[in-house]
Amino acid sequence: AQRVTQPEKLLSVFKGAPVELKCNYSYSGSPELFWYVQYSRQRLQLLLRHISRESIKGFTADLNKGETSFHLKKPFAQEEDSAMYYCALRRPGGSNYKLTFGKGTLLTVNP
Amino acid sequence: GAGVSQSPSNKVTEKGKDVELRCDPISGHTALYWYRQRLGQGLEFLIYFQGNSAPDKSGLPSDRFSAERTGESVSTLTIQRTQQEDSAVYLCASSSLAGAGGELFFGEGSRLTVL
Repeated sequence: AQRVTQPEKLLSVFKGAPVELKCNYSYSGSPELFWYVQYSRQRLQLLLRHISRESIKGFTADLNKGETSFHLKKPFAQEEDSAMYYCALRRPGGSNYKLTFGKGTLLTVNP
Repeated sequence: GAGVSQSPSNKVTEKGKDVELRCDPISGHTALYWYRQRLGQGLEFLIYFQGNSAPDKSGLPSDRFSAERTGESVSTLTIQRTQQEDSAVYLCASSSLAGAGGELFFGEGSRLTVL
């Protein structure tokens, strides 16, 4: 069974400080991994996905298969980054596109 | 509409009553998901519809929960004989497998409170 673990329920940093939101997964194959974000009073939305190797709003995430991790990082946090962040996993290929989400990390960036 | 639409946005009901939640996915999206988000918890998968395939109901917590989808359009999630532990935000999402790597587009959710 696939599982996503986000060990930190809450994370608080100061503006300008680096931030890392941890995500670990359990899956025997090569999963597709995503980060979704929910800003206050907004819908849950995709932030980035590992296959794109993209940087969105200064955030990056690297898939580490050895450590089965997909941590989300930003070198200099901004107040507008305050939000709920969810890591998600999906088995590649096949007909089952169900996304499994972690429990989320609430990031607060203080001025 | 431009996005996933859910109704009602808020529902307060008494224990034991039935409730029906509705989701209008983005036009053309073949996949539709229901998730539950209890206070302080993560997203809990409930059910997944993909085209005309049999739905994946593996996340439904009990037989009081059921969902239907007509073709590739509207879906309804029905909770019978509601219990207080059913109180949560119920999120619907849709995606197109045709592109964008199956990105999920979420609705704003239906907040259910069972008294």
